[in-house]
Amino acid sequence: AQSVSQHNHHVILSEAASLELGCNYSYGGTVNLFWYVQYPGQHLQLLLKYFSGDPLVKGIKGFEAEFIKSKFSFNLRKPSVQWSDTAEYFCAVTSAGNTGKLIFGQGTTLQVKP
Amino acid sequence: DSGVTQTPKHLITATGQRVTLRCSPRSGDLSVYWYQQSLDQGLQFLIHYYNGEERAKGNILERFSAQQFPDLHSELNLSSLELGDSALYFCASSLGLAADTQYFGPGTRLTVL
Repeated sequence: AQSVSQHNHHVILSEAASLELGCNYSYGGTVNLFWYVQYPGQHLQLLLKYFSGDPLVKGIKGFEAEFIKSKFSFNLRKPSVQWSDTAEYFCAVTSAGNTGKLIFGQGTTLQVKP
Repeated sequence: DSGVTQTPKHLITATGQRVTLRCSPRSGDLSVYWYQQSLDQGLQFLIHYYNGEERAKGNILERFSAQQFPDLHSELNLSSLELGDSALYFCASSLGLAADTQYFGPGTRLTVL
């Protein structure tokens, strides 16, 4: 069965620090990969996605992620975080060809200190 | 605003009761997905409808059912509620059947007392 693992459950950073959140998935076939963000009290919003092509994808708010197929990874990065990035981040995968149901990781809570 | 609407925002009910959660997808989207978010289970896929037909089921309890109507809105029915059903229920919509981007609604927070 497909699964997604996010290694960092709770990350605390100071403003301007660099961020990298790990995401690994288990599935042998072609996958589509997503990062969603959930700000406190709000719904999930799409940060970025990878379907095919350039493995380095850029999303909103200065976020980017790199798909490394050999490592089954899709890590999220941001060079300089802001207090407003405080939120929960979810990595998700869906296998190309299925109905599109998303399999989510456990989520990473990011707290940015001003 | 994702364009996906869900009602009600909050629902408080008692064990054994039945509730209906409603979702309206973005204009033009044919797929509706339901997810449950709880502290212990995280975000779990429940069920997927495409253009009125059930397409996939996840870890959805037999006490739960859903449907998608001709106008493409969807309802999730939860019956014989238990304390453990307390969670945030999200619906998401996407354009087609395959792995398109899903846009999430604001969720319905269900509290079972």
